[in-house]
Amino acid sequence: QKEVEQNSGPLSVPEGAIASLNCTYSDRGSQSFFWYRQYSGKSPELIMSIYSNGDKEDGRFTAQLNKASQYVSLLIRDSQPSDSATYLCAVANTGTASKLTFGTGTRLQVML
Amino acid sequence: GAVVSQHPSRVICKSGTSVKIECRSLDFQATTMFWYRQFPKQSLMLMATSNEGSKATYEQGVEKDKFLINHASLTLSTLTVTSAHPEDSSFYICSAAGDTSGNTIYFGEGSWLTVV
Repeated sequence: QKEVEQNSGPLSVPEGAIASLNCTYSDRGSQSFFWYRQYSGKSPELIMSIYSNGDKEDGRFTAQLNKASQYVSLLIRDSQPSDSATYLCAVANTGTASKLTFGTGTRLQVML
Repeated sequence: GAVVSQHPSRVICKSGTSVKIECRSLDFQATTMFWYRQFPKQSLMLMATSNEGSKATYEQGVEKDKFLINHASLTLSTLTVTSAHPEDSSFYICSAAGDTSGNTIYFGEGSWLTVV
């Protein structure tokens, strides 16, 4: 059973702080890792993808991957109230577009 | 960027009837489309994978005779929920990948189905 685990939260951070979201996965053969943001009642939208160990930065977002520990994280710097949403970690076992296994998501609340 | 459109965004149907949801890739050819279902406060659960011109591959526990998937063209896949029941009420989301989308999977806006 391929699993992707996330803490459901809510994770509450003050505006301007760094939010750290974590995800672990069970399938060692996983090759592609994604973070999606989902607002209530809406479809997920892709924030970051990462395929190799290390950090990948895009604006206020940094994804971190450690395949040895089967761990992927998302850091959000200078958190804004508009970042309040559920963040879904997704994993695929190929390097090309394929079916994703999603975690249950972490709800982030950025407080004013 | 690539856009995937779903229709309808919301639908209410009576128990026992069938309802069709369309998923279209607007600016790329989607060789593969995925159908997910999401119940409130739960994650997306993959229902089936459809490849253009072939039968869909259903995930374990998903009834293929109840959830009919057709992917007749490179830009359109449809999900038909047959003989719908209240427990089928959910958020249905499609995603698409294709020859020009690379490693990226694009999601449709989702369709809320309420069966009364």
